[in-house]
Amino acid sequence: AQKVTQAQTEISVVEKEDVTLDCVYETRDTTYYLFWYKQPPSGELVFLIRRNSFDEQNEISGRYSWNFQKSTSSFNFTITASQVVDSAVYFCALRGIQGAQKLVFGQGTRLTINP
Amino acid sequence: GAGVSQSPSNKVTEKGKDVELRCDPISGHTALYWYRQSLGQGLEFLIYFQGNSAPDKSGLPSDRFSAERTGGSVSTLTIQRTQQEDSAVYLCASSLDPGTTSGRTGELFFGEGSRLTVL
Repeated sequence: AQKVTQAQTEISVVEKEDVTLDCVYETRDTTYYLFWYKQPPSGELVFLIRRNSFDEQNEISGRYSWNFQKSTSSFNFTITASQVVDSAVYFCALRGIQGAQKLVFGQGTRLTINP
Repeated sequence: GAGVSQSPSNKVTEKGKDVELRCDPISGHTALYWYRQSLGQGLEFLIYFQGNSAPDKSGLPSDRFSAERTGGSVSTLTIQRTQQEDSAVYLCASSLDPGTTSGRTGELFFGEGSRLTVL
């Protein structure tokens, strides 16, 4: 079975602080894909990043960075110098080869950036 | 259209009534998914379509829930005899065929959801 755990239900920080959202996954597949989505108050999920299990290089995109560690089955997301517009619910998701038909989502982390 | 379109955006119904929720996927996307998001909860998978067939309907919570897809495009999720616990946001997503490399590595594109409230 595949499972994604986002242990942080809610995080609240002050603007300009750095914040890391944790994601831990379980899968028996040797090939799999990890995703992060953002759900702003409007409700529509917005794709942020995809990572495959063969590529453990960390990725940086502007203020966003992702740390993929296969040894600990984690795919953490860091926002540097957070801004109020970053306030949203963030979901980590997993798609394996066996269950390639669907994404399995974590419970989400509600991030609030206070001015 | 440019994105995944869902209707209605909001639906309020009385307990026991039937409701239909519609999803119009991105043109060319053969895969279509329905998810449910209850208040403060994560996304719960309901059903997956590849073309007009549903090889995975394991997430449908009861036989009151059904879905169909016609012409490899529009999908309708039907909830019969609605209950209060059915209240949630129903999200539709589409993607390229996950049986292909591009589909498997590609992301799902989501609509804005249909918020269902059962009184």
